[in-house]
Amino acid sequence: LAKTTQPISMDSYEGQEVNITCSHNNIATNDYITWYQQFPSQGPRFIIQGYKTKVTNEVASLFIPADRKSSTLSLPRVSLSDTAVYYCLVASSGGYNKLIFGAGTRLAVHP
Amino acid sequence: NAGVTQTPKFHILKIGQSMTLQCTQDMNHNYMYWYRQDPGMGLKLIYYSVGAGITDKGEVPNGYNVSRSTTEDFPLRLELAAPSQTSVYFCASSYSRGTDTQYFGPGTRLTVL
Repeated sequence: LAKTTQPISMDSYEGQEVNITCSHNNIATNDYITWYQQFPSQGPRFIIQGYKTKVTNEVASLFIPADRKSSTLSLPRVSLSDTAVYYCLVASSGGYNKLIFGAGTRLAVHP
Repeated sequence: NAGVTQTPKFHILKIGQSMTLQCTQDMNHNYMYWYRQDPGMGLKLIYYSVGAGITDKGEVPNGYNVSRSTTEDFPLRLELAAPSQTSVYFCASSYSRGTDTQYFGPGTRLTVL
């Protein structure tokens, strides 16, 4: 499984767009990039998943360049409720869904 | 659907005692997982199961045991508890393998003294 690297923490203000970048240099052909969100005292929650180019849902966008060695989670117009830890993971479509969590990025949104 | 439920929410265990953390899902998912999360850290996979009767080790299986007699239930057993097992334990499930979304329970906060 490809190892991921992401910033330990980020700060933002309400209404701003937040971009969290994750590097995964050893990503394999069958691997997908997945992002989870975790609030304090709760289990992680799926946000978005992608293989290449751009994926958008009602919560976020995921940008993946052609070489797939990095990805960027974009949260539009964040609010205080977006304060959480965000995990970037790489999972193989052919594997047993064994997710490897790093330390994640702790996002703090300020008024 | 209740999703993934875990009991208890909190528990204090004495060193050397044993206990079972319960996990149940009502989504008819084949895959189930147990993770532990230490303060300020990411989650580490303890054990996982790909279906009833089939389990396998994750990253940190030592000191734990699991069983999967039904699709719905995936209990985690701690034998001879040690302070190093103080952690928050999360159970999760997914319908299939690979990249399928995992759904997490609310967690069990366990303290071993």
